[in-house]
Amino acid sequence: KNQVEQSPQSLIILEGKNCTLQCNYTVSPFSNLRWYKQDTGRGPVSLTIMTFSENTKSNGRYTATLDADTKQSSLHITASQLSDSASYICVVSADTGRRALTFGSGTRLQVQP
Amino acid sequence: EPEVTQTPSHQVTQMGQEVILRCVPISNHLYFYWYRQILGQKVEFLVSFYNNEISEKSEIFDDQFSVERPDGSNFTLKIRSTKLEDSAMYFCASSSDYNEQFFGPGTRLTVL
Repeated sequence: KNQVEQSPQSLIILEGKNCTLQCNYTVSPFSNLRWYKQDTGRGPVSLTIMTFSENTKSNGRYTATLDADTKQSSLHITASQLSDSASYICVVSADTGRRALTFGSGTRLQVQP
Repeated sequence: EPEVTQTPSHQVTQMGQEVILRCVPISNHLYFYWYRQILGQKVEFLVSFYNNEISEKSEIFDDQFSVERPDGSNFTLKIRSTKLEDSAMYFCASSSDYNEQFFGPGTRLTVL
């Protein structure tokens, strides 16, 4: 069964600090991996999408890495801001012609002043 | 910037009633999706729709659920006889290709 696991479940950091969120997946065959940011009560917003051949991708202060061999990904947030407080969700798509996405439970990040 | 819109933002209904959740996908997109998120749980795929028919659905999407694109702009999710466990946020998404799916803000459905 396709699964996406994320850690930590929640994280509190001080404004200006960096943090790294982890994602492990068992989706097969792998197509692509996405990181989404979801503010409370809102829909997910895409941060990055990576395919099998990409091992790093940046979007401003967000940098995602992908190790397709170990089936792991990370999302690094640099110089955190209060507006980064949200849930960060790792989402994986299988290369089966299906468009359904498998979502992780998310990491709830709280940035404190 | 174009975005997916959903109405209503919050729907309260009695158990057993029918509800229709509405979505307006991004105008040049061809693929449409519904997801749901029960409070405190993961986002779950319900159904995808392309070329006026369902292309894929999950085990959650049983006979109580149906989708329709009644005109060139709207995409609807109907729940025929709501149950308490249908209470959730329902997200509509659309995409122009296999990769990027753009999500709407969601409709919070509360079944009493």
